[in-house]
Amino acid sequence: QVQLQESGPGLVKPSETLSLTCAVSGASITSGGFSWSWIRQPPGKGLEWIGHVYYTGNTYHSPSLKSRLTISVDTSKNQFSLKLSSVAAADTAVYYCARVKRYDHGAYYYYAMDVWGQGTTVTVSS
Amino acid sequence: DIQMTQSPSSLSASVGDRVTITCRASQSINYYLNWYQQKPGKAPKLMIYATSNLQGGVPSRFSGSGSGTDFTLTISTLQPEDFATYYCQQTYSSLMYTFGQGTKLEIK
Repeated sequence: QVQLQESGPGLVKPSETLSLTCAVSGASITSGGFSWSWIRQPPGKGLEWIGHVYYTGNTYHSPSLKSRLTISVDTSKNQFSLKLSSVAAADTAVYYCARVKRYDHGAYYYYAMDVWGQGTTVTVSS
Repeated sequence: DIQMTQSPSSLSASVGDRVTITCRASQSINYYLNWYQQKPGKAPKLMIYATSNLQGGVPSRFSGSGSGTDFTLTISTLQPEDFATYYCQQTYSSLMYTFGQGTKLEIK
């Protein structure tokens, strides 16, 4: 079955760059009908969509993070990555990666995050 | 940006109760509405996609309805394992897949 696994440093200093990778197993990241997403959840708060990437490299980013955010895909390693620059305490969160599946219903396509990683906690602190 | 507002923010109910959670979009999102369940310390789990379609393995006591701007998640007969936080999400705009703020369902 498809599994996603986040990895990266658990502690990042303010003003530095947060870098995370999501390894995909059980499926090819180049499979049609899917994109690959990052979501985060600050302590005690709700879910925030960060962005997603297609295997072609096309990306969509949250407007509030766009200036600091890079999402990329490495098809040779079957993984995708997130880089968030100039981090501050407000970027402290559990970061999840997820697969976005396209569901075909007649003339319409619908999208939902059907497989999630377990999440990785990132703390921004000096 | 499309904003998603859930109500209530928290809800107390008993095993066996029927509960309904509401999600409202700031503009029409057709049927592009998903529901997720999250338990403490765990990743969210997709329950319903495209407003009313149960994800595989999700019990039939869960159902979803709505269209346009107003949507509901209903649990017909609450079970102990259903106590969790529920999030709605719109995927109408590929520019930003917004989540609602969440509804915490607690045991009364």
